[in-house]
Amino acid sequence: DGGITQSPKYLFRKEGQNVTLSCEQNLNHDAMYWYRQDPGQGLRLIYYSQIVNDFQKGDIAEGYSVSREKKESFPLTVTSAQKNPTAFYLCASADRGRSQPQHFGDGTRLSIL
Amino acid sequence: QKEVEQNSGPLSVPEGAIASLNCTYSDRGSQSFFWYRQYSGKSPELIMFIYSNGDKEDGRFTAQLNKASQYVSLLIRDSQPSDSATYLCAVNILTGGGNKLTFGTGTQLKVEL
Repeated sequence: DGGITQSPKYLFRKEGQNVTLSCEQNLNHDAMYWYRQDPGQGLRLIYYSQIVNDFQKGDIAEGYSVSREKKESFPLTVTSAQKNPTAFYLCASADRGRSQPQHFGDGTRLSIL
Repeated sequence: QKEVEQNSGPLSVPEGAIASLNCTYSDRGSQSFFWYRQYSGKSPELIMFIYSNGDKEDGRFTAQLNKASQYVSLLIRDSQPSDSATYLCAVNILTGGGNKLTFGTGTQLKVEL
């Protein structure tokens, strides 16, 4: 089945630790996105990528890093510089083009130990 | 002024009634508009998208767009308890980076028996 797979579903981070969230899609979509959602809040864009080997910062990129070495994969690293990492992280993908809808994975919940 | 605004609710409607969810946006250049449904603890699911002024119907859902007044709405006919969720409005904001969505904070809908 085509879709977006995020792993792990739950993740715990220790102080000073970097953690990486995985996002893989088999929809052959060009564009991929990472969002953060805090309780009672909307989605805030962290990073996005329109093509392989290229990505742009979103609205809240500080403390995060990404790579886009393959079309199917867009991992997000939450670095120790992100002081408030506890949130629900959502990965999305979309076809090329301005008006294409984004489709979401099931998300990863990150908490601090 | 927020770029995309929604009433947080909760909006309570009786089963079988019409639920009306509204969203306003600030960027007159916005081209595409999306409604997502998000159940508690889950990821957003695309329900409707609309690009042109007027109404677009899909089953029990109707999206309405008025670019002159800068609002988009979602009507849910014959509301069911399973429609109880948070509904997120998303707008494609024109940038040099292509397909980038800005989300509202969502309206919580409760359908009561």
